Amino acid sequence: NAGVTQTPKFQVLKTGQSMTLQCAQDMNHNSMYWYRQDPGMGLRLIYYSASEGTTDKGEVPNGYNVSRLNKREFSLRLESAAPSQTSVYFCASSAWGMNTEAFFGQGTRLTVV
Amino acid sequence: AQSVAQPEDQVNVAEGNPLTVKCTYSVSGNPYLFWYVQYPNRGLQFLLKYITGDNLVKGSYGFEAEFNKSQTSFHLKKPSALVSDSALYFCAVREVTSTGFQKLVFGTGTRLLVSP
Repeated sequence: NAGVTQTPKFQVLKTGQSMTLQCAQDMNHNSMYWYRQDPGMGLRLIYYSASEGTTDKGEVPNGYNVSRLNKREFSLRLESAAPSQTSVYFCASSAWGMNTEAFFGQGTRLTVV
Repeated sequence: AQSVAQPEDQVNVAEGNPLTVKCTYSVSGNPYLFWYVQYPNRGLQFLLKYITGDNLVKGSYGFEAEFNKSQTSFHLKKPSALVSDSALYFCAVREVTSTGFQKLVFGTGTRLLVSP
C-alpha cells in the first residue's frame, strides 16, 4: 500500500546545483502533480501531467522542468537551484483531474544555500 | 480565476468543544469545493468535497462542511474536537483549464490546535 512515494525526503543544495525529485505512484492514476508549499502561501501548483505523455505548467513553473517518464513516474528537475526554491515539495496523483480525490506523497524538504 | 480564502491562520479549541475552520470562495459558475488535512511531516489527505446536492457534506474522521451559497462559504466543522485533530487544514476549489483539465487551487491553510 505504498500510494505516492517521493525521494529524497530531505536535500540541501548549493546555489547553482541541479537535482531531480522523484515521484512514483502505484494506484494506476492518470494524473500527477507537483506542488510547492511555503509558509503563508499554501500550496502552489508547479507542473501537472493530465495523462501519460503530457505535461503542463501550473502557477509557478519558472526554474523547474518535469518529465512524465511513464504512467507511474513524474519527476521534477531544478536545473540551477536558487535560494527562492527553498520549500517543501509535494507530488500528488489522482485518477483523472482533481474532481476526484488526490493522494499526496510525504514531501521533500529542500534547502538551497 | 477561482480562489478560496482562509481568514484565520490559527484556530484554538479545547478538546470536546465544537470546532469551525472557515473558508470563503470566489468562483465563476458552480463551485466544486474540497477540504484536505495535513498532519505533521505528512502529505495532504482528502477529507471531503462538495459538488452538488445537500449543503451539509459529511467526510472522514467525523468532519463535515456546510456549503452556504449566499455567504459564499464552505466552513469545516466537527461537533467535538479531539487532540488528534490538531493539524493544518486546507480549503480548495476546482479550476478547469482551457484544455478541460481539472485542478485544485488551495487556500493558505489554517492551523488547528486542540488543547487537552
